[in-house]
Amino acid sequence: KAGVTQTPRYLIKTRGQQVTLSCSPISGHRSVSWYQQTPGQGLQFLFEYFSETQRNKGNFPGRFSGRQFSNSRSEMNVSTLELGDSALYLCASSLAGLAVETQYFGPGTRLLVL
Amino acid sequence: AQRVTQPEKLLSVFKGAPVELKCNYSYSGSPELFWYVQYSRQRLQLLLRHISRESIKGFTADLNKGETSFHLKKPFAQEEDSAMYYCALRGQAAGNKLTFGGGTRVLVKP
Repeated sequence: KAGVTQTPRYLIKTRGQQVTLSCSPISGHRSVSWYQQTPGQGLQFLFEYFSETQRNKGNFPGRFSGRQFSNSRSEMNVSTLELGDSALYLCASSLAGLAVETQYFGPGTRLLVL
Repeated sequence: AQRVTQPEKLLSVFKGAPVELKCNYSYSGSPELFWYVQYSRQRLQLLLRHISRESIKGFTADLNKGETSFHLKKPFAQEEDSAMYYCALRGQAAGNKLTFGGGTRVLVKP
């Protein structure tokens, strides 16, 4: 099985712009979660989507949004970028988000905001 | 609120020595605890979870609810154990929200 894929792998934007990141889960997986990783704050949960519905949300401003398509692929969008949004954005997928399941992480998209 | 604390940012040990990574958590209910590992230039991956009570690559971890800890241990460290280790907690609410600790970098010297 192919693993979780994320595109693009690297991205450079300037303040005020918006960005869309994409995550393709493992085939058959319906739960997709997003995390932000920074040196200062570590790994922080952004949101989780299951069957095209947001099921959980972390403590991020409304500039961070996401969605999931019927094929379980997910996108996250960050509007009005700030310097502090520079981070590695990870997505993870699992079958249904149940406790007994393993979450599989993608390689991440590294975003640099100038 | 849920919180995970890994007090050591860096652990440096010699090959063959025991290694213990500390993890303390704060959660009002019954959490699920995990250890994730990230080897150099690889993805974050699950190492073990407390539900399974298994040993993976010689590592074990015991959930101590009284001390709210989930320390990771290995009796004889190997050079290939050098990596970044993250302790994570999942609460009782539905879904896949994981709260991670800050991570501990383990360096095993020859």
